[in-house]
This record gives sequence, structure tokens and C-alpha cells, in this order.
Amino acid sequence: GESVGLHLPTLSVQEGDNSIINCAYSNSASDYFIWYKQESGKGPQFIIDIRSNMDKRQGQRVTVLLNKTVKHLSLQIAATQPGDSAVYFCAENTGTASKLTFGTGTRLQVTL
Amino acid sequence: DADVTQTPRNRITKTGKRIMLECSQTKGHDRMYWYRQDPGLGLRLIYYSFDVKDINKGEISDGYSVSRQAQAKFSLSLESAIPNQTALYFCATSLRQGFSETQYFGPGTRLLVL
Repeated sequence: GESVGLHLPTLSVQEGDNSIINCAYSNSASDYFIWYKQESGKGPQFIIDIRSNMDKRQGQRVTVLLNKTVKHLSLQIAATQPGDSAVYFCAENTGTASKLTFGTGTRLQVTL
Repeated sequence: DADVTQTPRNRITKTGKRIMLECSQTKGHDRMYWYRQDPGLGLRLIYYSFDVKDINKGEISDGYSVSRQAQAKFSLSLESAIPNQTALYFCATSLRQGFSETQYFGPGTRLLVL
């Protein structure tokens, strides 16, 4: 079976509701952040990114919010669908070119 | 995503064996990476390469080596596999564009070391 996410925090939401997935980062020097989605048996897939000079960025049904004061990142998914069920990772660029540090992930379960 | 492919997708090997995991990409990216993924630990960087002549260690390079045979190919070797190298291994690529440098991942290789 799938070994990813066996001990992950889990967020359960009803189909059609909005989801909010949170991520705390530790390095105040981080200047670039990405959210990835990982479905079972697949590699992480890019969702949305944000730079440290922004506090909000919107995509299709997704919004990323960045609060640098408390080093917090969130991913909001509007009108959550069954296909959104996956593990979601945040990643930060700590300033060393191209090196991303990943969070441990949150599993999103969408109930019908 | 077929732009980044990994072979094999699954591999079972024995302690002490040398194995190689292959990664190829058709995205034309110059930067390539190898990660391993373990439950509860997220993705950790093993090695990365910014071009054919550039190889850099990541946070967990011990027990691994890499080869960048061409811009499109980046291989990961386990010189003498041990059970705690059992994990999911991902290759990724990126191309710096402005402020964003999104990494694109392959489908992964599931490795079991007995």
C-alpha cells in the first residue's frame, strides 16, 4: 500500500465546503513558497506559489496566504471536490538557490 | 507527468546490493534533484545538479551517489543498499524563471531493501 502519509494530520471536509490547510515555516529568510498536491501513487504536483513580498495570491479555486509576522502559510481550496483528496505539502526556499525545504504534509479527505 | 520519468517504478533488492535509479526529463530544464520520502518526514533532498558539470550534496547524501550523464538524465545510485534506505524516491526538475522556480516531480520509485 501507499507509504506516504501514514502518520499525517488529516483534514476532513464535506464536498462543496471550503478547505484551509495550514503550514508553519521556520526560516524567516525564506523568500519563496510553494504548495504541492500529492495523490496516492503519484509524485507531488505544483498547485500555487507565492513570493515573500506578497501576502496573497489566487489561482483557480485556490488561494495562498502568507503571514510573515508569524511565519505561517495557508492554502485555501474553494468548493472542495472529491478530486481534491490528497496529501498537501508546503515548501519553502530558504535562500540557497533552488533548494526547497518541505513540510511533512496534511492529508485532505473529502466526504460526500 | 510524462515530462519527468523514473525507472524502475518499483524495486526490491537485498542488503549490500548496488542499485541505480534513473531519471529522464523532456522539459528542457537545467536543474535536477533527487529526494526521498518517508512517512512523517516529508521530502528530503539527497543530491541536486544545476547543470551537467555541477553536482551538490543535499541534506541526506550519505550512502548515495549520483551521475548527471546529460542535461536530461540524472541517476541515483545506492552503492551498498541497507534496509533503512527503503523509501519512495522522487526525481524533480526546475528552470529558473523570474522569481519562481517550481520543481516538477516524476512519478517516483518505490524501493524495498530486504
